Amino acid sequence: GAGVSQTPSNKVTEKGKYVELRCDPISGHTALYWYRQSLGQGPEFLIYFQGTGAADDSGLPNDRFFAVRPEGSVSTLKIQRTERGDSAVYLCASGIGTHTDTQYFGPGTRLTVL
Amino acid sequence: AQSVTQLDSQVPVFEEAPVELRCNYSSSVSVYLFWYVQYPNQGLQLLLKYLSGSTLVESINGFEAEFNKSQTSFHLRKPSVHISDTAEYFCAVSDLIAPGGGADGLTFGKGTHLIIQP
Repeated sequence: GAGVSQTPSNKVTEKGKYVELRCDPISGHTALYWYRQSLGQGPEFLIYFQGTGAADDSGLPNDRFFAVRPEGSVSTLKIQRTERGDSAVYLCASGIGTHTDTQYFGPGTRLTVL
Repeated sequence: AQSVTQLDSQVPVFEEAPVELRCNYSSSVSVYLFWYVQYPNQGLQLLLKYLSGSTLVESINGFEAEFNKSQTSFHLRKPSVHISDTAEYFCAVSDLIAPGGGADGLTFGKGTHLIIQP
């Protein structure tokens, strides 16, 4: 079956611009996670959705970052006034949303802020 | 707060030799433990996980990891590696009970690049 998909695979933008990154989870998965992976680091948790609501957004670094999941399926991560330090691979994962759950990761979106 | 330490950023090993990738964690509560693997040009995928019960867990491709509570470790081992095991390996933890009462995000280590030499 289809896995988690993310679009675009690569995004290059200029400092100060707004970007949107999209995640399509595995069908039927109610849990959706966003992570950010900087070069040479492990993934860093950003936000977790259970259904349409953000159950835990404690990892969002500041108010320039926002994510939505209006219908409980596709999610969009939005970054305002991008900075060069936002350059990273943004990973999305989905799962059934329990503590024993396996998180299934997408291929990521590589964001480069010039 | 949780943290995960993978001391080795790179581990070179000859094909068919044994390997151990080290993982230590720190948490104020009980945790679940995971190893994820990222093969070249692929996404992260679960290799194995410890939830409860037997402290030794195994994957389908010959890896195993042992949960050691006293040493707060979850080292990954394989008795004989193959060239196809070349990948980045990430150790991760999740709180047994998340702040919101449900699943929260994983805390990952920085990863260990396993390099298999022929």
